[in-house]
Amino acid sequence: AQTVTQSQPEMSVQEAETVTLSCTYDTSESDYYLFWYKQPPSRQMILVIRQEAYKQQNATENRFSVNFQKAAKSFSLKISDSQLGDAAMYFCAYRRRAGGTSYGKLTFGQGTILTVHP
Amino acid sequence: KAGVTQTPRYLIKTRGQQVTLSCSPISGHRSVSWYQQTPGQGLQFLFEYFSETQRNKGNFPGRFSGRQFSNSRSEMNVSTLELGDSALYLCASGREVGEHGYTFGSGTRLTVV
Repeated sequence: AQTVTQSQPEMSVQEAETVTLSCTYDTSESDYYLFWYKQPPSRQMILVIRQEAYKQQNATENRFSVNFQKAAKSFSLKISDSQLGDAAMYFCAYRRRAGGTSYGKLTFGQGTILTVHP
Repeated sequence: KAGVTQTPRYLIKTRGQQVTLSCSPISGHRSVSWYQQTPGQGLQFLFEYFSETQRNKGNFPGRFSGRQFSNSRSEMNVSTLELGDSALYLCASGREVGEHGYTFGSGTRLTVV
């Protein structure tokens, strides 16, 4: 079974600074997706960024980028120029890319609460 | 376009009762999956439906069930409610099974007393 671990229950950052959230995962699969989701107090899970395991290039979405280390099974999220609106719970998630009965399932980490100080 | 709509937003039920939660996916999306979120267990996968068929199921007791209608709307039902069923129930929709771009709703907060 796949597992996803976020070792930082809480992180804080000053507005305009950079912060990195950590995530490690365990899987025997070679083809999969990794995601970072943001959950603000409104409760809706919002997709921040997605990485395909077969792509060596790290994904980037505006101020958000990842450091994907497949061999180390590490998938960290870097938020640059942090804004007050970035404050939320962040979840790292894993999904098999194709095939099998479980490949539609997302496996989530426990989450990291990010606080942004003005 | 309209997002994923979950109703109701909040619900209070008594132990032993049953409850039905509803999820309307984004228009054109045929995959709907459900997750339970609690402080202790985090986010756990319940099940996924595609074209009215359950394709995946998580490790939950048989008291948790679901279905999907021909218009892709989905319902999940929990019978014989227990205090531990108190949680935020999230629904996500996608175009196809395994669709990597799932869109989540804002959830239904269920409290069992």
